[in-house]
Amino acid sequence: QVRLVESGGGVVQPGGSLTLSCEASGFTFSGHGMHWVRHAPGRGLEWVTFIRHDGSNQYYADSVKGRFTISRDNSRNTLFLQMNGLRVDDTAVYHCAKDLYWGVFDNWGQGTLVTVSS
Amino acid sequence: EIVLTQSPATLSLSPGERATLSCRASQSVGSDLAWYQLKPGQAPRLLIYGASNRATGIPARFSGSGSGTDFTLTISSLEPEDFALYYCQQRNKWPPFTFGQGTKLEI
Repeated sequence: QVRLVESGGGVVQPGGSLTLSCEASGFTFSGHGMHWVRHAPGRGLEWVTFIRHDGSNQYYADSVKGRFTISRDNSRNTLFLQMNGLRVDDTAVYHCAKDLYWGVFDNWGQGTLVTVSS
Repeated sequence: EIVLTQSPATLSLSPGERATLSCRASQSVGSDLAWYQLKPGQAPRLLIYGASNRATGIPARFSGSGSGTDFTLTISSLEPEDFALYYCQQRNKWPPFTFGQGTKLEI
């Protein structure tokens, strides 16, 4: 079955950097686009970024554009999120999600918690 | 960006009752609407996509309807495990993909 396991979360100071990983199994990773979606405490879900199956195009929410970078290594079935210039309001659980077709998230990981605090 | 407004914010019901959750879009999204269930400490789960298509493994008591700007998620007879957070999401105009603010279904 499809399995998505995020890692790399932690506590970081404002302005700091962090890289999240998402290891995928149970499906043909190179055949699917992938997303990062975050869930901040007391707030709703927020889509963060999407990368096409072959890494050819990336899309970002305005709130993270220029600070976050999504990438993937299809040889290792792994998705990444490089986060720079972190702000307090980036604090959230970050989930990776498999794309069923153009923005339907059919499988999700449990998430990894990122806390931005001084 | 398309704004999705969910109502009610909280819905208090008992097992066996029928739940009706609403999602209204700020402009037409056609049938490009999905519903997700969230429980603490678990991976979110896709319930409905394309407004009315049940995702793989989703029980028949979950159904979705609507098109354009008004959508409904119905749970015909609540089971104890259905008490959770529910979000709608549109994929008609992106980026960004946008979610509603959520409905908490509580006992």
